[in-house]
Amino acid sequence: EVQLVESGGGLVQPGGSLRLSCVASGFTFSTSWMTWVRQAPGKGLEWVANIKEDGSAKYYVESVKGRFTISRDNAKKSVFLQMSSLRAEDTALYYCARDAGWFHYDYWGQGTLVTVSS
Amino acid sequence: QSALTQPPSASGSPGQSVTISCTGTSSDVGAYNYVSWYQQHPGKAPKVIIYEVTKRPSGVPDRFSGSKSGNTASLTVSGLQAEDEADYYCTSFGATNVFGTGTKLTVL
Repeated sequence: EVQLVESGGGLVQPGGSLRLSCVASGFTFSTSWMTWVRQAPGKGLEWVANIKEDGSAKYYVESVKGRFTISRDNAKKSVFLQMSSLRAEDTALYYCARDAGWFHYDYWGQGTLVTVSS
Repeated sequence: QSALTQPPSASGSPGQSVTISCTGTSSDVGAYNYVSWYQQHPGKAPKVIIYEVTKRPSGVPDRFSGSKSGNTASLTVSGLQAEDEADYYCTSFGATNVFGTGTKLTVL
């Protein structure tokens, strides 16, 4: 059974930092692009960042460049999102998803909630 | 940057058919046969229901079908059922914003 389990969300003050984790099982993680997608309360889906199978390529949405860093550990079947200089507009449910190719996201986690507020 | 535009809402009665559009540009939808559709029920993670314009993952009912013409992709739900009420999002390779604006489907 395929599983993606996110963790690390919580309440953080503006300007603070948080590290999200996503642990995968049930598929070959080391040959999969991985992606973070977020959804602000009551809003649509927003692609945040993705990372190539071996970690050699990483891409970010413009609004998080310089503040968020995506990384992975294939030995631990995990992908991470280090978030810093957090803003109120980063408040969202953060999902990790596998990209089966060409923006086809076939596996999703249940999400971890990040709330940025003073 | 290109965005994929969807109608904010769509509706239909049980048994009817509904089509949701996803309009992009010649750089994304029009350029590639890599359009996917996602269904999201309230409080749930998105689920892919169509990929590569017309393909259905295992387990997705054949009431869901996809097509494309020019720069516009479409998702058709035939024989609407109550459980089809959800939000639907498209993606297309080449689209900078990746996800479409989303459509709330209401079953009347």
